[in-house]
Amino acid sequence: DVKVTQSSRYLVKRTGEKVFLECVQDMDHENMFWYRQDPGLGLRLIYFSYDVKMKEKGDIPEGYSVSREKKERFSLILESASTNQTSMYLCASSLNSPLHFGNGTRLTVT
Amino acid sequence: AQTVTQSQPEMSVQEAETVTLSCTYDTSESDYYLFWYKQPPSRQMILVIRQEAYKQQNATENRFSVNFQKAAKSFSLKISDSQLGDAAMYFCAYRRFGAGSYQLTFGKGTKLSVIP
Repeated sequence: DVKVTQSSRYLVKRTGEKVFLECVQDMDHENMFWYRQDPGLGLRLIYFSYDVKMKEKGDIPEGYSVSREKKERFSLILESASTNQTSMYLCASSLNSPLHFGNGTRLTVT
Repeated sequence: AQTVTQSQPEMSVQEAETVTLSCTYDTSESDYYLFWYKQPPSRQMILVIRQEAYKQQNATENRFSVNFQKAAKSFSLKISDSQLGDAAMYFCAYRRFGAGSYQLTFGKGTKLSVIP
C-alpha cells in the first residue's frame, strides 16, 4: 500500500514565523500535491510537482512556496505565516491516477 | 477552468437505507475522470469509486455505485445498505484526461450522517 506521511498532525505557529510542512511518500511516485481544506470550501490546490525540482502553481499559491529536492519529499513553505493560513493541509501523491493522501496537518497560526 | 459542484452540504440516512449524493461538474473536455473520495473523522482521504468518462457503464464498488450522466454532466454516488462507518465527508472530484494533468479539482463536500 502507498504510504504518504505528513510530519506533523497538529502544528501551532505565530504570525510572521516561517513554517515548513513536510510530506514523504514511499512509492516512487512522480506526482505530488499540496491541498488546503477549509470548511465549506472543500479542497483547493496550492502547488503541485511532477518531477524533482519542478513545481507548478495551483489555484491558491499566494503566500506559499514549495520545495522538491528529492523525489519522495515535497515540502510546503509559509514564508511568513498569517492567521488566514490557519487550515488543514493535505499532501497527496500519484503515479497517474488516483491520488493517495496523507493524514493531514492541522495548522493554527496565532 | 473546470468546476465541481456538490449542492448538498449535509445529508443524513437511516442505517440500512439507501442515500444518493449529488455532484455536477463543468468542463469542455470530452475525456476525463471522475472520483468520489470519503473523509472520515480520522481525516484520511479514501478513494471510494472512480469513473472514466469514455466508459458508458456506471462504476460500482460493493455497496457504492454511481449514476454517470455525461450529457448532463452529473455524477451522483449511491450508497446502499448504509452503515455507521459510512458517516463521513464525501468529496466529488474531476481530473482531466492525459499525461501532465494529474491534479484533481474537488467539490466543497457533503457531510453524511448515518442514524442508527
